[in-house]
Amino acid sequence: DIQMTQSPSSLSAPVGDRVTITCRASQGISNYLAWYQHKPGRVPKLLIYSASTLQSGVPSRFSGSGSGTDFTLTISSLQPEDVAIYYCQEFTGVPYTFGQGTKVEIK
Amino acid sequence: QVQLQESGPGLVKPSQTLSLSCTVSGASITNAGAYWTWIRQHPGKGLEWIGYIHYTGKTYYNPSLESRVTLSLDTSKNQFSLRVPSVTAADTAIYYCASAFEGYYFDFWGQGTPVTVSS
Repeated sequence: DIQMTQSPSSLSAPVGDRVTITCRASQGISNYLAWYQHKPGRVPKLLIYSASTLQSGVPSRFSGSGSGTDFTLTISSLQPEDVAIYYCQEFTGVPYTFGQGTKVEIK
Repeated sequence: QVQLQESGPGLVKPSQTLSLSCTVSGASITNAGAYWTWIRQHPGKGLEWIGYIHYTGKTYYNPSLESRVTLSLDTSKNQFSLRVPSVTAADTAIYYCASAFEGYYFDFWGQGTPVTVSS
């Protein structure tokens, strides 16, 4: 199975800050990577797929980049409504695996 | 907008069978190309993909669980289901259903239903 490692496991930043979350795959996965946002008490939400394609309706302050083994999710200007846990997921083939999550809070 | 809602018992005794259903609204589970998925999250842990069922009825399972789980479709109710026999405490988790219309990433999710295995 492919292992997905996210860093950091948690972060706290002021409103307006640029925030970056990293996801590393244990082997190359091309651009077969998705990012999800999970707010407390809410339904998990697809943010980005194919490493950099923004899902319809997702604010443009979210962006994704990377290919191969190293990927990043960037929030260009952190907003209070962005408080959530963020997960990456590879989809090269069965079994699909997720990162352990990054908790984002407001400082 | 596609919506999914899990249903099933919140408490299951060890060695019994866990059965969960996911009701889909806003789309037909016979939608061409749709994959219907179960994912779980153990307490304090990350997400684990359990498996998915294609609209044709073909199933794909996580090899770590393949011998234990069964997915099925009920087109009359626009539902898909998960069955896990002989549960143990290790099956205690929040269970999510989700859809994959465009590929193998999950575009819509249910709220998740917590399941505890305990006597």
